[in-house]
Amino acid sequence: EVQLLESGGGLVQPGGSLRLSCTASKFTSSNYAMAWVRQAPGKGLEWVSSVDSDGGATYYADSVKGRFTISRDNSKDTLYLQMNSLRAEDTAVYYCAKYYGPGTSGGRLFDYWGQGILVTVSS
Amino acid sequence: DIHMTQSPSSVSASVGDRVTITCRASQGINNWLAWYQQKPGTAPKLLIHAASSLQSGVPSRFSGSGSGTDFTLTISSLQPEDFATYYCQQGNSFPITFGQGTRLEIK
Repeated sequence: EVQLLESGGGLVQPGGSLRLSCTASKFTSSNYAMAWVRQAPGKGLEWVSSVDSDGGATYYADSVKGRFTISRDNSKDTLYLQMNSLRAEDTAVYYCAKYYGPGTSGGRLFDYWGQGILVTVSS
Repeated sequence: DIHMTQSPSSVSASVGDRVTITCRASQGINNWLAWYQQKPGTAPKLLIHAASSLQSGVPSRFSGSGSGTDFTLTISSLQPEDFATYYCQQGNSFPITFGQGTRLEIK
């Protein structure tokens, strides 16, 4: 079955940087767009960013635009999220998620999620 | 941005009950709607995609309906493992948005 494994989370001071990784297995990741979704403690789900299957197009929530960068290396089946200028309000569990269908054939819906990785921004 | 409004925010029900959760989009989303179930400490799990298509492996007591801006998730006969939080999500356009969640609790 499809597996997504996040890494790179942890504690960082406000204004600091962190890079998350998500390694995919058991499917051809280069055929699918991917996304990051976060969940602040005790709160709901918030979409953060998406990247097309070949990395050519990226999309961001206004709350992270200009600070976060999504990318992918299909040769390594790995998705990244570079997070700069981190703020306390970025504290959350970050999930990587696979789009349901190739391209946008399944809408921008997510059929598989990683287990999540905690990012804590605090001094 | 498309705003997704779920109701109710929480509901108490008993095993065997029929439960309905609604999700309203602030504009049409061409049925690009998903329903997810999330249990504490775990990732969301896809239940329904494209408004009414049951994801493989999901029990048939879950069903989705609706079109345009109004959508519904129905659980026909609650089982103990169904007590969780449910989210709707629109995938029609960016930014992708989620409903605020519906917490389903045991009565």
